[in-house]
Amino acid sequence: KNQVEQSPQSLIILEGKNCTLQCNYTVSPFSNLRWYKQDTGRGPVSLTIMTFSENTKSNGRYTATLDADTKQSSLHITASQLSDSASYICVVSDDRDDKIIFGKGTRLHILP
Amino acid sequence: DAGVIQSPRHEVTEMGQEVTLRCKPISGHDYLFWYRQTMMRGLELLIYFNNNVPIDDSGMPEDRFSAKMPNASFSTLKIQPSEPRDSAVYFCASSPDRGYTGELFFGEGSRLTVL
Repeated sequence: KNQVEQSPQSLIILEGKNCTLQCNYTVSPFSNLRWYKQDTGRGPVSLTIMTFSENTKSNGRYTATLDADTKQSSLHITASQLSDSASYICVVSDDRDDKIIFGKGTRLHILP
Repeated sequence: DAGVIQSPRHEVTEMGQEVTLRCKPISGHDYLFWYRQTMMRGLELLIYFNNNVPIDDSGMPEDRFSAKMPNASFSTLKIQPSEPRDSAVYFCASSPDRGYTGELFFGEGSRLTVL
């Protein structure tokens, strides 16, 4: 069964620090991998979209990386801000079953 | 553009009552998706439409759930009768394509509590 697993489930860091969130997937073949940010009580908003041929994609202080060989992606947040407190969801498009598969997310808390 | 608009934002109802959730997609988007989000299962696709036609409803939990899209600017998700296990946040999303290669645009969600 195609799955998308994210780690850690939750993370607490101090404002200004960097952090890295992980996404491991078993989906194969896949066409793209996305990271979404979901603020509490809001809908998810897209941060980055990477095709299988891309290794990295940046959006401001957010940088996503992709290793299609090991089926791993990471989202690195630089110089965290209080507004980065949110859930971050990894999403993979399954070419075989024509479905979009969501991870359960990592809950990030930024402390002042 | 106003984005995807959902209503109500919050709904509290008693078991057995009918619940109707509403969604207005972004104008020009041909695809509309209904998702359910819980802590245990994350985001789950319930059904999606293309040009107002239901394409895949395999995620609809059971016959108590139904969805319609009478026109390009409006869709409803109905639960009748509702049960406590239906408590969740229901999201509507739209996309200019199947959402498969492009971006999904989500509404703010409807938080449903069934007592």
